[in-house]
Amino acid sequence: SQQGEEDPQALSIQEGENATMNCSYKTSINNLQWYRQNSGRGLVHLILIRSNEREKHSGRLRVTLDTSKKSSSLLITASRAADTASYFCATDGGTALIFGKGTTLSVSS
Amino acid sequence: SAVISQKPSRDICQRGTSLTIQCQVDSQVTMMFWYRQQPGQSLTLIATANQGSEATYESGFVIDKFPISRPNLTFSTLTVSNMSPEDSSIYLCSVAGTPDGNQPQHFGDGTRLSIL
Repeated sequence: SQQGEEDPQALSIQEGENATMNCSYKTSINNLQWYRQNSGRGLVHLILIRSNEREKHSGRLRVTLDTSKKSSSLLITASRAADTASYFCATDGGTALIFGKGTTLSVSS
Repeated sequence: SAVISQKPSRDICQRGTSLTIQCQVDSQVTMMFWYRQQPGQSLTLIATANQGSEATYESGFVIDKFPISRPNLTFSTLTVSNMSPEDSSIYLCSVAGTPDGNQPQHFGDGTRLSIL
Protein backbone atom coordinates (compact mmCIF):
# COMPACT_ATOMS: atom_id res chain seq x y z
CA SER A 1 0.00 0.00 0.00
CA GLN A 2 1.21 3.51 -0.72
CA GLN A 3 1.92 5.67 2.26
CA GLY A 4 3.32 8.87 0.80
CA GLU A 5 1.20 11.20 -1.26
CA GLU A 6 2.97 13.93 -3.19
CA ASP A 7 1.50 17.25 -4.05
CA PRO A 8 1.32 18.60 -6.69
CA GLN A 9 1.21 15.71 -9.15
CA ALA A 10 2.76 17.92 -11.82
CA LEU A 11 4.68 21.17 -11.69
CA SER A 12 5.93 23.35 -14.54
CA ILE A 13 8.33 26.21 -13.89
CA GLN A 14 10.94 28.33 -15.62
CA GLU A 15 14.65 27.95 -15.14
CA GLY A 16 15.86 29.88 -12.13
CA GLU A 17 12.61 29.53 -10.23
CA ASN A 18 12.21 27.48 -7.08
CA ALA A 19 10.21 24.26 -7.03
CA THR A 20 8.46 22.97 -3.93
CA MET A 21 6.99 19.50 -3.64
CA ASN A 22 5.10 18.19 -0.65
CA CYS A 23 4.66 14.71 0.70
CA SER A 24 2.21 13.45 3.29
CA TYR A 25 2.25 10.06 4.96
CA LYS A 26 0.03 8.13 7.30
CA THR A 27 1.96 6.21 9.92
CA SER A 28 4.96 6.87 12.14
CA ILE A 29 8.32 6.60 10.43
CA ASN A 30 12.01 6.15 11.19
CA ASN A 31 13.03 8.18 8.17
CA LEU A 32 11.79 9.66 4.93
CA GLN A 33 13.71 9.64 1.68
CA TRP A 34 13.43 11.63 -1.52
CA TYR A 35 14.34 10.19 -4.91
CA ARG A 36 14.58 11.48 -8.45
CA GLN A 37 13.78 9.48 -11.56
CA ASN A 38 14.73 10.66 -15.02
CA SER A 39 12.66 9.43 -17.96
CA GLY A 40 11.68 6.08 -16.49
CA ARG A 41 15.19 5.12 -15.50
CA GLY A 42 16.43 4.00 -12.11
CA LEU A 43 15.97 6.02 -8.96
CA VAL A 44 18.62 8.39 -7.72
CA HIS A 45 18.70 8.97 -3.99
CA LEU A 46 18.58 12.64 -3.04
CA ILE A 47 18.18 13.03 0.71
CA LEU A 48 17.32 10.93 3.75
CA ILE A 49 15.88 12.77 6.73
CA ARG A 50 15.46 11.00 10.03
CA SER A 51 12.37 11.32 12.17
CA ASN A 52 14.25 13.37 14.77
CA GLU A 53 15.46 15.88 12.18
CA ARG A 54 13.46 18.88 11.00
CA GLU A 55 15.48 20.17 8.09
CA LYS A 56 18.29 18.99 5.87
CA HIS A 57 20.21 20.56 3.02
CA SER A 58 22.17 19.16 0.11
CA GLY A 59 23.37 21.64 -2.49
CA ARG A 60 20.28 23.27 -4.02
CA LEU A 61 17.98 20.86 -2.19
CA ARG A 62 16.27 21.56 1.10
CA VAL A 63 14.05 19.01 2.81
CA THR A 64 11.86 19.65 5.81
CA LEU A 65 10.04 17.14 7.96
CA ASP A 66 7.10 17.78 10.28
CA THR A 67 6.29 14.56 12.08
CA SER A 68 3.36 16.15 13.92
CA LYS A 69 1.69 16.81 10.58
CA LYS A 70 3.15 13.70 8.95
CA SER A 71 4.44 15.76 6.07
CA SER A 72 7.66 16.63 4.30
CA SER A 73 8.64 19.08 1.61
CA LEU A 74 11.40 19.16 -0.97
CA LEU A 75 12.57 22.54 -2.20
CA ILE A 76 14.78 22.84 -5.25
CA THR A 77 16.23 26.31 -5.55
CA ALA A 78 17.35 28.01 -8.76
CA SER A 79 16.03 25.15 -10.86
CA ARG A 80 17.68 24.05 -14.08
CA ALA A 81 16.40 22.24 -17.14
CA ALA A 82 18.35 19.20 -15.93
CA ASP A 83 16.10 19.06 -12.85
CA THR A 84 13.25 17.92 -15.10
CA ALA A 85 12.30 14.55 -13.65
CA SER A 86 9.83 12.76 -11.40
CA TYR A 87 10.38 13.11 -7.67
CA PHE A 88 9.22 10.56 -5.14
CA CYS A 89 9.10 10.51 -1.39
CA ALA A 90 9.42 7.16 0.33
CA THR A 91 8.93 6.10 3.90
CA ASP A 92 10.37 3.08 5.61
CA GLY A 93 7.81 0.33 5.88
CA GLY A 94 9.93 -1.76 8.17
CA THR A 95 12.75 -2.59 5.83
CA ALA A 96 11.41 -1.98 2.33
CA LEU A 97 10.25 1.45 1.20
CA ILE A 98 6.72 2.63 0.58
CA PHE A 99 6.57 5.16 -2.23
CA GLY A 100 4.26 8.03 -2.93
CA LYS A 101 2.79 8.67 -6.34
CA GLY A 102 5.40 11.24 -7.25
CA THR A 103 5.57 14.76 -8.61
CA THR A 104 6.54 15.33 -12.23
CA LEU A 105 8.65 18.47 -12.49
CA SER A 106 9.20 20.18 -15.81
CA VAL A 107 11.72 23.02 -15.98
CA SER A 108 11.77 24.99 -19.19
CA SER A 109 14.59 27.24 -20.33
CA SER B 1 27.12 3.30 -1.33
CA ALA B 2 26.55 0.02 -3.13
CA VAL B 3 26.76 -0.12 -6.90
CA ILE B 4 23.90 -2.12 -8.37
CA SER B 5 23.99 -3.56 -11.88
CA GLN B 6 20.79 -4.78 -13.44
CA LYS B 7 20.47 -6.80 -16.66
CA PRO B 8 18.91 -6.57 -19.15
CA SER B 9 18.23 -2.84 -19.22
CA ARG B 10 15.27 -3.39 -21.50
CA ASP B 11 13.58 -6.13 -23.46
CA ILE B 12 10.61 -6.72 -25.70
CA CYS B 13 9.02 -10.09 -25.16
CA GLN B 14 6.24 -12.16 -26.60
CA ARG B 15 3.12 -12.97 -24.67
CA GLY B 16 3.38 -16.23 -22.77
CA THR B 17 7.15 -16.25 -22.45
CA SER B 18 9.27 -15.70 -19.35
CA LEU B 19 12.19 -13.39 -18.66
CA THR B 20 14.77 -13.48 -15.91
CA ILE B 21 16.20 -10.20 -14.64
CA GLN B 22 19.54 -10.21 -12.87
CA CYS B 23 20.70 -7.90 -10.10
CA GLN B 24 24.36 -7.80 -9.06
CA VAL B 25 25.68 -5.76 -6.15
CA ASP B 26 29.33 -4.87 -5.67
CA SER B 27 29.25 -5.64 -1.94
CA GLN B 28 27.53 -8.11 0.34
CA VAL B 29 24.10 -6.96 1.44
CA THR B 30 21.61 -8.59 3.72
CA MET B 31 18.41 -7.46 2.12
CA MET B 32 17.51 -7.01 -1.52
CA PHE B 33 14.16 -5.89 -2.84
CA TRP B 34 12.32 -6.10 -6.14
CA TYR B 35 9.90 -3.37 -7.18
CA ARG B 36 7.57 -2.92 -10.12
CA GLN B 37 6.72 0.42 -11.68
CA GLN B 38 3.82 0.30 -14.08
CA PRO B 39 3.60 3.01 -16.76
CA GLY B 40 3.01 6.41 -15.23
CA GLN B 41 2.78 4.95 -11.74
CA SER B 42 4.87 4.83 -8.61
CA LEU B 43 6.89 1.90 -7.34
CA THR B 44 5.27 -1.10 -5.73
CA LEU B 45 7.21 -3.66 -3.76
CA ILE B 46 7.00 -7.16 -5.24
CA ALA B 47 9.07 -9.08 -2.72
CA THR B 48 12.03 -9.11 -0.38
CA ALA B 49 14.77 -11.47 -1.50
CA ASN B 50 16.26 -13.28 1.46
CA GLN B 51 19.56 -15.12 1.19
CA GLY B 52 19.18 -18.75 2.09
CA SER B 53 15.40 -18.74 2.38
CA GLU B 54 12.26 -18.16 0.35
CA ALA B 55 11.48 -14.66 -0.79
CA THR B 56 8.78 -12.78 1.07
CA TYR B 57 6.05 -11.63 -1.30
CA GLU B 58 3.73 -8.68 -0.91
CA SER B 59 0.00 -8.94 -1.28
CA GLY B 60 -0.97 -9.37 -4.90
CA PHE B 61 2.31 -10.99 -5.96
CA VAL B 62 2.86 -14.75 -6.00
CA ILE B 63 5.89 -16.97 -6.36
CA ASP B 64 4.54 -18.81 -9.40
CA LYS B 65 4.34 -15.55 -11.34
CA PHE B 66 7.48 -13.88 -9.95
CA PRO B 67 9.95 -16.53 -8.78
CA ILE B 68 13.00 -15.03 -7.09
CA SER B 69 16.39 -16.50 -6.38
CA ARG B 70 18.99 -15.22 -3.93
CA PRO B 71 21.93 -17.63 -4.10
CA ASN B 72 24.37 -15.37 -2.24
CA LEU B 73 24.73 -11.96 -0.63
CA THR B 74 25.59 -10.13 -3.86
CA PHE B 75 23.16 -11.50 -6.42
CA SER B 76 19.46 -12.00 -7.04
CA THR B 77 17.20 -12.77 -9.96
CA LEU B 78 13.55 -12.04 -10.62
CA THR B 79 11.69 -14.03 -13.25
CA VAL B 80 8.51 -12.68 -14.79
CA SER B 81 6.63 -15.79 -15.90
CA ASN B 82 4.00 -16.37 -18.56
CA MET B 83 4.04 -12.70 -19.46
CA SER B 84 1.05 -10.73 -20.62
CA PRO B 85 0.81 -7.08 -21.75
CA GLU B 86 -0.18 -6.14 -18.20
CA ASP B 87 3.33 -7.07 -17.09
CA SER B 88 4.80 -4.27 -19.18
CA SER B 89 6.61 -2.25 -16.51
CA ILE B 90 9.95 -1.18 -15.19
CA TYR B 91 11.35 -3.69 -12.71
CA LEU B 92 13.90 -2.41 -10.21
CA CYS B 93 16.05 -4.05 -7.62
CA SER B 94 17.33 -2.25 -4.58
CA VAL B 95 19.41 -2.93 -1.53
CA ALA B 96 18.86 -1.79 2.02
CA GLY B 97 21.50 0.49 3.45
CA THR B 98 21.81 -0.75 7.00
CA PRO B 99 19.63 -2.95 9.18
CA ASP B 100 18.44 0.03 11.20
CA GLY B 101 17.04 1.61 8.04
CA ASN B 102 18.84 4.90 8.58
CA GLN B 103 20.99 4.63 5.52
CA PRO B 104 19.45 5.18 2.10
CA GLN B 105 18.29 2.42 -0.15
CA HIS B 106 19.95 2.40 -3.54
CA PHE B 107 18.47 1.23 -6.79
CA GLY B 108 19.64 -0.31 -9.99
CA ASP B 109 18.85 1.40 -13.29
CA GLY B 110 15.86 -0.85 -13.80
CA THR B 111 14.69 -3.19 -16.55
CA ARG B 112 12.12 -1.76 -18.92
CA LEU B 113 9.97 -4.64 -20.07
CA SER B 114 7.46 -4.49 -22.91
CA ILE B 115 5.22 -7.43 -23.76
CA LEU B 116 3.63 -7.66 -27.18
